[in-house]
Formats: sequence, C-alpha cells, structure tokens
Amino acid sequence: DQQVKQNSPSLSVQEGRISILNCDYTNSMFDYFLWYKKYPAEGPTFLISISSIKDKNEDGRFTVFLNKSAKHLSLHIVPSQPGDSAVYFCAASARTNAGKSTFGDGTTLTVKP
Amino acid sequence: GAGVSQSPSNKVTEKGKDVELRCDPISGHTALYWYRQSLGQGLEFLIYFQGNSAPDKSGLPSDRFSAERTGGSVSTLTIQRTQQEDSAVYLCASSQQGDQPQHFGDGTRLSIL
Repeated sequence: DQQVKQNSPSLSVQEGRISILNCDYTNSMFDYFLWYKKYPAEGPTFLISISSIKDKNEDGRFTVFLNKSAKHLSLHIVPSQPGDSAVYFCAASARTNAGKSTFGDGTTLTVKP
Repeated sequence: GAGVSQSPSNKVTEKGKDVELRCDPISGHTALYWYRQSLGQGLEFLIYFQGNSAPDKSGLPSDRFSAERTGGSVSTLTIQRTQQEDSAVYLCASSQQGDQPQHFGDGTRLSIL
C-alpha cells in the first residue's frame, strides 16, 4: 500500500506560467510534509516544507498548500523557469517517527522556454 | 566537506558478491538515512540512524542487508550475496535532527551483473 502518491508522472508547462504538482497521502499520522527537487545524477535537494498546523507555506516562487481533510498537498511554482525542470518528490513523516520519511514516486516537470 | 559524501559513485559487481557502500554525513548532523531508488521509482526508505543507534530498521529488504554507523559519523551499508534485483541507486542523507529536512548525497549506482 503506497502511503504517498504522486499520480502525475510528468507535467509540462510554458515558461512564465504556473506549475502545480500534486500529492496525496493516506496515513492520517503524517503531520510533516516536504518537497524535494532532483536533477539527473544528483541527490534530491530540499525545497519547502509544511507542518500540519498550517495550510500554506510560501518561499519565493514556491508555495505549498496542505488540505488535511482531503489528505492532499500541492506545490505551486510561479512563475515557472526552465531551470525548474527536474523531478519533484513529495515526502511525509510523522513526528512520532520523525526519522522515517515516506516518498512519492516523483513528478517530472518540464518547463519549456 | 560541505555536503553528504557517498562512495563509490558507481559499483558494478557480479551476482553473489558482497558490497559495501559508504556515507559521510554533514559534520554535526546526528541523523542519517539510507534510501534506495530503483529505475523509475521513488525513494524507498531502508534505515535511519539517530547517533549510532538505528531506531527504525523496518525498511531493510532482507537479512542480506545491514548497516552500521560508528562514532556518530560515517555509515556503511552492506549487501551480502548480491542479487540482480539489488541493482539501484542507493542514496544517503543526513539532518541535524530526525525531524529536519534531509541533505542528500549524490548516491551510489549499484549494478549487479
């Protein structure tokens, strides 16, 4: 049973437009959520996180929204830039077992110039 | 060094051989994690260390897999009697504490012939 799902394997957007990446989870114990970005042949790098006590967190062009009732979070990138092209992973953890993060399978974002 | 260092970056070995993968975390990071990423898949949690102890070993796929961490720093992941299905990228990450964003190394690409 996959506890964190990213249902869109890929997404293509035009430069300057908004990119919206989605993530769903099933474990109601998850209370901390993160997004990571990964370029080929490199390890993932942390982008932005959100705690379950919030429903929105913003950092520059990146905003994460959390809908706890729907067990859904999304990452908005606006405006999108070609350098944003990468694989984006959603991850979730429970504070009671903070060391264990569960990752989704990733969404490949392509931003076209 | 400034980031998480993993060695070797690539390893090709014959089925049945033992392999040892090394991870050097960021200095001062108490938490260390191992993940596996098979082709086209997300990150699969293997094991997590807090200091030298491993509170959660639940992700280790079989008893052929083991990991240790000494001195609260370097960790080694050992795979005994390798099988072809062990072929994957093995990623190591570290964080200051268990509930902080993780910093990843670039991984070891393991190929079992």
